[in-house]
Order: sequence, then C-alpha cells, then structure tokens
Amino acid sequence: DAGVIQSPRHEVTEMGQEVTLRCKPISGHDYLFWYRQTMMRGLELLIYFNNNVPIDDSGMPEDRFSAKMPNASFSTLKIQPSEPRDSAVYFCASTGQYTDTQYFGPGTRLTVL
Amino acid sequence: AQKVTQAQTEISVVEKEDVTLDCVYETRDTTYYLFWYKQPPSGELVFLIRRNSFDEQNEISGRYSWNFQKSTSSFNFTITASQVVDSAVYFCALSEVGTGANNLFFGTGTRLTVIP
Repeated sequence: DAGVIQSPRHEVTEMGQEVTLRCKPISGHDYLFWYRQTMMRGLELLIYFNNNVPIDDSGMPEDRFSAKMPNASFSTLKIQPSEPRDSAVYFCASTGQYTDTQYFGPGTRLTVL
Repeated sequence: AQKVTQAQTEISVVEKEDVTLDCVYETRDTTYYLFWYKQPPSGELVFLIRRNSFDEQNEISGRYSWNFQKSTSSFNFTITASQVVDSAVYFCALSEVGTGANNLFFGTGTRLTVIP
C-alpha cells in the first residue's frame, strides 16, 4: 500500500503569492491532519479532518491559511498571501478509526522569499 | 493539560555505544497512547512504536527497546549498539484517546548523532 502522498516536495515562492499544498491520505483512513514544523515552534497541529469534515482548526495561524478536503482521498492547504514567516515544512498525516497511529507523508518544504 | 518533555536536546555517541532517549509526559486521561517517531536527515517522519496506557510491558525490536513506566510518567527509548544510520531526530508523542481525535502532542525532539 502507498503511504501518505504529498506534493510538491519543495516549493519556493515569493511573498504575496498563493501557495497550495496537496495531500493524499492512506486509503481507508478517515482522519487527516496537517502539521507545520519550524525550528522555533517544533511540530504543531494546524487542522484535522474526520470523514472530510474539519473538526478542529484552532491551530491555523490566521485567515491567510485555509484547508479543504473535498473527498476522502484528497486535501489541500492553501496560504494566500504567503509571507516569509510561513517558511516551514508542512506535513500531512492520516489515521483510521481502528489504527490509532498517525502515518506521515514526506512533507513539503516551503520557502517564501 | 497534556505535555511531552524531551529534556535532551542533542546527544552524541560513538558507534556501537548504547544510548537512551528520555521522554516524560503529562496527561489527565487514564487512556492514552505514547509514540516514538524518527526523523532522519531526509526529513520524513517515521513511526517506530505505539504503546497504550494499559500495557506497561517493555518492548524490544532488534536493537531498539522501550521502557514504559506509568509510575514516573516516562517512556524511554534505548538503542543498543548504535549505528551511524541511527543518526536522526527522535520525537516522543502523546495521544489522548478521550478526545476521540487521535491528536498527537509532540515533544521537542532529541537529535542523536552517532559518530563513526
């Protein structure tokens, strides 16, 4: 089985541009999580979905960030407009109701110039 | 409130030495999971182990072993006969089952460097 898939793996953009990160969870998993990793703050949860519905977005830094999950096999995290302080590695993870373990994608390294 | 503390920020050992990574957690839930993840230099997060709060048996997997002690709220990870490939950042994490959401709370990680 394929693991969690994220794209792109690397993204370099300029301040003010829109950035869209993509995630495909493991088939059959009904929870999907978005995390951000920075040197200063470590790994922090941004938002998670259950059965495609956003459950907790309290970790989303501000209105510039938005996430969607239109179906069970796809989610996006969008930053508009991007700022240099958004530079980080963004991880997507998924888990199932009977799995109890989150499996992470390879991450997207975002650099905002 | 939940919290995971990894007091060791960085550890360096010489190849073939044993090394223990410490993890102390705080939770008010009686039912929870503890995890260790490995983040090698390539950057991905690799799941290593999960223990639930009702199972205090220690676990061994090859050169890896884990010691879970509820009395001290600790879940320590030992690598025996370390190898260069063990060089990575290791994260301890807690999930409180009572939330129903499998949310993971991570420690700040311990960077292990194994010197050849």
